Amino acid sequence: AQSVTQLGSHVSVSEGALVLLRCNYSSSVPPYLFWYVQYPNQGLQLLLKYTSAATLVKGINGFEAEFKKSETSFHLTKPSAHMSDAAEYFCAVMSWAKLVFGAGTILRVKS
Amino acid sequence: ETGVTQTPRHLVMGMTNKKSLKCEQHLGHNAMYWYKQSAKKPLELMFVYNFKEQTENNSVPSRFSPECPNSSHLFLHLHTLQPEDSALYLCASSQTREGRDGYTFGSGTRLTVV
Repeated sequence: AQSVTQLGSHVSVSEGALVLLRCNYSSSVPPYLFWYVQYPNQGLQLLLKYTSAATLVKGINGFEAEFKKSETSFHLTKPSAHMSDAAEYFCAVMSWAKLVFGAGTILRVKS
Repeated sequence: ETGVTQTPRHLVMGMTNKKSLKCEQHLGHNAMYWYKQSAKKPLELMFVYNFKEQTENNSVPSRFSPECPNSSHLFLHLHTLQPEDSALYLCASSQTREGRDGYTFGSGTRLTVV
């Protein structure tokens, strides 16, 4: 079964700085990968998805992620952090027709 | 209303109570899911329904009983719960069982068992 590992349960950046949230996947077949965001007391919102088209995927709120097969990675980035980006971010992979999530990374943005 | 709607948003129940969580989607999706989100634990898939038929039960205790009367509605019936069942319960839906476009989630029901 496929799985994802998120490196770093907490990431702290200054407002305006680069955001980098790491996700590595394990899969023996081309994976379907996703990033979701969860704001406090809310459900999960889809940020972006990779479905074997372009390797650089652009999502909502200025986020993007690059699929790198050689590194089995799908890291999430944003050039300039905003206070409103503070939330928990989940990487997920479709495994046997089930969406399997990583443990999540809490992003803190300092003013 | 569009999207996935869950009610109630918050629920406090005693261990001997019976309550139900409701999920409704107006997206025309054919698959629906229940997830449990506990503090400091990964999201756990509980149940999967495809075209109203249950296709997966991830060893969920029988005190949780799902019901899917049609493709737009999903319920989770709760009885004789334990304090460790306190969590955020998330409903999701997808166009197809394969879910290659991802799932759409509701805002969740925050359940507290006392």
